[in-house]
Amino acid sequence: EDQVTQSPEALRLQEGESSSLNCSYTVSGLRGLFWYRQDPGKGPEFLFTLYSAGEEKEKERLKATLTKKESFLHITAPKPEDSATYLCAVLSGGYQKVTFGTGTKLQVIP
Amino acid sequence: DAGITQSPRHKVTETGTPVTLRCHQTENHRYMYWYRQDPGHGLRLIHYSYGVKDTDKGEVSDGYSVSRSKTEDFLLTLESATSSQTSVYFCAISEPKGLTDTQYFGPGTRLTVL
Repeated sequence: EDQVTQSPEALRLQEGESSSLNCSYTVSGLRGLFWYRQDPGKGPEFLFTLYSAGEEKEKERLKATLTKKESFLHITAPKPEDSATYLCAVLSGGYQKVTFGTGTKLQVIP
Repeated sequence: DAGITQSPRHKVTETGTPVTLRCHQTENHRYMYWYRQDPGHGLRLIHYSYGVKDTDKGEVSDGYSVSRSKTEDFLLTLESATSSQTSVYFCAISEPKGLTDTQYFGPGTRLTVL
């Protein structure tokens, strides 16, 4: 059974204080790993897809990396508007099977 | 914006009542999904569709049925709602193109079963 574990569950940062969110996974036949951002009361918003170990992608203050067992979402000099829950998910199997983690709730304080 | 709308956005109903949630997309995507999101569980797949009249079960399909008679609409039905089905329901779409299998989500429907 595919499993995705995100840590920490919650993270509080001062504005400008860089940090990383972790997503560790156990899956048979990884086809892709996704990062989403979710604001309260809204649907998940797509950020990145990573396909193979060693791959990196960046978007503004966010950088996602992938190894064979985990992915990191690095947040550089965060701003209050980066406050949200960040979800990790893995795609595996012969159909569109996506397994989600429970998320990391990030709060960035001015 | 992947052109996904969900209706209703909020609903309160009573135990034993049938409920239908609608997902509508405007971009002719082949795959559509229904998820529920609950604290401590993350998003869990209920049912998905890979074409008109082609559907299959996800990991938490008991108590739910779906229908897709048109490409643009994917309906989720709770035949007899129970309090355990109180949740936020999200519809998603994807259009796999080579390695691009990304799912895009709608705004969600908050369902409360009393």
